[in-house]
Amino acid sequence: DIQMTQSPSSLSASVGDRVTITCRASDYISGSLNWYQQKPGQAPELLIYGGYTLQSGVPSRFSGTGSGTDYTLTISNLQPEDFATYYCQQSYTSPTWTFGQGTKVEIK
Amino acid sequence: QVQLVQSGTEVKKPGSSVKVSCRASGGTFTTYIFAWVRQAPGQGLEWIGRIIPMFEISDSPQNFKGRATITADKSTTTVFMELSNLNSDDTAVYYCAAGYYYGSSSLSYWGQGSLVTVSS
Repeated sequence: DIQMTQSPSSLSASVGDRVTITCRASDYISGSLNWYQQKPGQAPELLIYGGYTLQSGVPSRFSGTGSGTDYTLTISNLQPEDFATYYCQQSYTSPTWTFGQGTKVEIK
Repeated sequence: QVQLVQSGTEVKKPGSSVKVSCRASGGTFTTYIFAWVRQAPGQGLEWIGRIIPMFEISDSPQNFKGRATITADKSTTTVFMELSNLNSDDTAVYYCAAGYYYGSSSLSYWGQGSLVTVSS
């Protein structure tokens, strides 16, 4: 199975900061990389699919880049509602669409 | 656009089984892939498996094979996840999620989660 490694596991940032989270796959995943946001007590929500395509309704301060095995989620101009945990997920292989371990974005 | 409503909280004994349901509405049931994902307290997301009702195919990773059974009832547009031989490590919130089969291989829609507690 493909393993997904996110870094960092947590970070502290201030409102207005630019934040970058990386996700590395243990094998080639051909851009089949999704990002989810999860707030405490809530189900995850899809932010970005296919490596870089913003889900409908997601603010443009979120962006995704990457190819091959390495992918990045960037949040520019961090807002109070962005403090949450972020997960990457590969959907290249069956039967398992593996998640990364998560990155918690906390208020500095 | 599909809405997913899951069954409620369950408390189970070690060694028993649990069956969680997820009713889909507002979309064409057979055009979606449905997945089950769980989250233990304070932990990350773990993939349990998925089902494609259009082809009546379900699959799970090796660590759940033989223990997790995912089924779908097209007549009631409901998917089910049954987990057998429960132990305390199976205590978690179980989420049903869906993605459009012809879409982007992602999970756009999520249920509210079902808490399963395994305790003697």
